[in-house]
Amino acid sequence: KQEVTQIPAALSVPEGENLVLNCSFTDSAIYNLQWFRQDPGKGLTSLLLIQSSQREQTSGRLNASLDKSSGRSTLYIAASQPGDSATYLCAVNSGGSNYKLTFGKGTLLTVNP
Amino acid sequence: DTGVSQDPRHKITKRGQNVTFRCDPISEHNRLYWYRQTLGQGPEFLTYFQNEAQLEKSRLLSDRFSAERPKGSFSTLEIQRTEQGDSAMYLCASSHLGGSSNEQFFGPGTRLTVL
Repeated sequence: KQEVTQIPAALSVPEGENLVLNCSFTDSAIYNLQWFRQDPGKGLTSLLLIQSSQREQTSGRLNASLDKSSGRSTLYIAASQPGDSATYLCAVNSGGSNYKLTFGKGTLLTVNP
Repeated sequence: DTGVSQDPRHKITKRGQNVTFRCDPISEHNRLYWYRQTLGQGPEFLTYFQNEAQLEKSRLLSDRFSAERPKGSFSTLEIQRTEQGDSAMYLCASSHLGGSSNEQFFGPGTRLTVL
């Protein structure tokens, strides 16, 4: 059974800092991995998707990396802004017959002005 | 708006009542998923449709829960005889069978509160 862990559970940084969020998973036989953002009381917004054959993906100030063999992914946020404050969720797609996502509990990020 | 939509956004009900939620996926997406998220947790998989066929149900989906996707378009999730433990955010997602990534796109969710 796939298990996903995110560290840290919460992170508070001053505006302008670069930061890294960590995600680990127990079964390296994955199809892809998605990073999501969730604002309080809202749905999920897809940020980046990394296929199992890829090492990283970039979108603007966001860069996600994937090391499948060690069961790890990181989300790097450059030059953080107060608007980046949200919960960031890592989700692993193990493929198979249903392609369902297994989520971590998330990292609550607060960027202070 | 071409995203995933869910209705209602919020539902407050008394214990023992039945509730029904609706999800409209992105129009060309033939895969549809329901997830449940409780406070402080990540979403957990409930069930999955490919077109109109319900192909998998999680053990989390007790016999009080039923989901349908008539004609492979919108989907409904019904909870009978609600319990306080059913209070959660119910999220719907859709993706495209045949796409290279099966990237899932989520709706805004339905927040259920059972009193």
